[in-house]
Amino acid sequence: KAGVTQTPRYLIKTRGQQVTLSCSPISGHRSVSWYQQTPGQGLQFLFEYFSETQRNKGNFPGRFSGRQFSNSRSEMNVSTLELGDSALYLCASSGGYQVNTEAFFGQGTRLTVV
Amino acid sequence: QQQVKQSPQSLIVQKGGISIINCAYENTAFDYFPWYQQFPGKGPALLIAIRPDVSEKKEGRFTISFNKSAKQFSLHIMDSQPGDSATYFCAASMYGGATNKLIFGTGTLLAVQP
Repeated sequence: KAGVTQTPRYLIKTRGQQVTLSCSPISGHRSVSWYQQTPGQGLQFLFEYFSETQRNKGNFPGRFSGRQFSNSRSEMNVSTLELGDSALYLCASSGGYQVNTEAFFGQGTRLTVV
Repeated sequence: QQQVKQSPQSLIVQKGGISIINCAYENTAFDYFPWYQQFPGKGPALLIAIRPDVSEKKEGRFTISFNKSAKQFSLHIMDSQPGDSATYFCAASMYGGATNKLIFGTGTLLAVQP
């Protein structure tokens, strides 16, 4: 069974630009969560999507948004990039109807804003 | 109340020794407690998880001890090996809630010396 796939692995963007990151969950999994990981703030929850609906949202500005498609693949978008958005963005995949089943992470997308 | 406090921040253990990492939480609604292992450049990998109906769970060399009254849980790595050198994160979420959101501790950098 293939794991969680995140693309691209690395990105360098300029301040003010926007970026879109992609996540393909484990086959059959319907929940996709996104996290931001930085040395200073650790792992912070961005949002979760389940069956194309945002089920929960963390404490991030509106510049951070996401969506989920009918095949459970998810994208997150960050607009008007700031230097502080430089981070490892992680996607986690969880299965089925039941909440809080095991969450499996992808390798992440390393975003650098210059 | 949403925080999970993790200690120590870093840990050095000799090969063959026992590594112990501790976490504490305040929100009594938390009822699912996973531990993740992360190597540099990789996403977190689920190691072991516990729910409050048991006080201990063991998988191979990894054991979670859970103290519901103290709202604390810990990870014990027996016979620690250099390959265990990584960052370990505890996390918590609400199993009965309508979300897979995980609240992470700040991480423990473990170095196992040969």
